[in-house]
Amino acid sequence: EDQVTQSPEALRLQEGESSSLNCSYTVSGLRGLFWYRQDPGKGPEFLFTLYSAGEEKEKERLKATLTKKESFLHITAPKPEDSATYLCAVQAGGNTPLVFGKGTRLSVIA
Amino acid sequence: KAGVTQTPRYLIKTRGQQVTLSCSPISGHRSVSWYQQTPGQGLQFLFEYFSETQRNKGNFPGRFSGRQFSNSRSEMNVSTLELGDSALYLCASSLGDREEQFFGPGTRLTVL
Repeated sequence: EDQVTQSPEALRLQEGESSSLNCSYTVSGLRGLFWYRQDPGKGPEFLFTLYSAGEEKEKERLKATLTKKESFLHITAPKPEDSATYLCAVQAGGNTPLVFGKGTRLSVIA
Repeated sequence: KAGVTQTPRYLIKTRGQQVTLSCSPISGHRSVSWYQQTPGQGLQFLFEYFSETQRNKGNFPGRFSGRQFSNSRSEMNVSTLELGDSALYLCASSLGDREEQFFGPGTRLTVL
């Protein structure tokens, strides 16, 4: 069974304090790994797709990396507006649905 | 380019009633997926439709059903509502396989 585990469940950072969120996965034949950001009461907002180990994607203060067992979302010099829940999802081979982790709730304090 | 829209945004029902939620995907997207999100379980997959055909189904009882129309708009229906059905129901659309999914704002369903 495909599984996604995100850690930590919650993370509190001071503004400017860089850190990383972890997404560990077990899947039979990874087709893609997806990162989303979700603000309270809203739908998830797409951030990145990673397809193969060694791949990296960047967007503003965020950088996502992928290995064969896990993905990291690095946040450099975060700002309060980066506060949100970050969700990781994987898709196995074939027309299989996304499997989501439970997310990391990030709070950035000014 | 307009995003995914969902109606209604909020809904209050009582146990035993039924409800229909609607989703309009991004123009040109043929795949629509539905998810249930609760604080305890996170995002759980309900079903996916592609070109009017249900392609995948999650582990939910038969009270949950859906359909997709020829214009790719989709509806999901929940019959005989239970208290545990209270959740945020999210719809997501994508161009096709291996493509990122774009989510709507969700419908917040409260069952009393």
